[in-house]
Amino acid sequence: KAGVTQTPRYLIKTRGQQVTLSCSPISGHRSVSWYQQTPGQGLQFLFEYFSETQRNKGNFPGRFSGRQFSNSRSEMNVSTLELGDSALYLCASSLAAGPTYEQYFGPGTRLTVT
Amino acid sequence: QQPVQSPQAVILREGEDAVINCSSSKALYSVHWYRQKHGEAPVFLMILLKGGEQKGHEKISASFNEKKQQSSLYLTASQLSYSGTYFCGTEGSGGSNYKLTFGKGTLLTVNP
Repeated sequence: KAGVTQTPRYLIKTRGQQVTLSCSPISGHRSVSWYQQTPGQGLQFLFEYFSETQRNKGNFPGRFSGRQFSNSRSEMNVSTLELGDSALYLCASSLAAGPTYEQYFGPGTRLTVT
Repeated sequence: QQPVQSPQAVILREGEDAVINCSSSKALYSVHWYRQKHGEAPVFLMILLKGGEQKGHEKISASFNEKKQQSSLYLTASQLSYSGTYFCGTEGSGGSNYKLTFGKGTLLTVNP
């Protein structure tokens, strides 16, 4: 079974631009979560989608948004990029929503904002 | 609120044991453990649920003290492959509408 895939793997943007990251979950998985990983803060929860609905959101500004499609693929968008947005963005899929389900992480998208 | 992991880093020789702790100031329903090797994605190790249920890899041992809101991951007879950063993720709702809050991680290095 193919794992979680994320595209692109690396991205360099300048301040003020916007970016869209994509995540394809494991086949059959309906829940997709997004995390921002930085050396100082570790893994920080961005949002979680299940059946095309955002069910939970972390403490990030409104510049961070996302969506999920009917095939469970998900995208996240960051508008008006800031230097502090440089990070590894990870998405994780799980079979269903709930604390008893393990998450399978993708390799991440490394975003650098200059 | 972010759980606190201790120690922040630990260095072992192959065959030695280690314990990684995860502590929260809030009541917990579940604790999730993941390991991330450098340059790779985090990999699931174990889920511990309120009430005692556990789910995860057979070779991994962990405990969950609901009263103290603490969990510990036990790594025995460590192997070189155990090296990586270990993260605990906690959540308190128990419902399907939940989010995991991860600690900052514990860097484990196993040397020959």
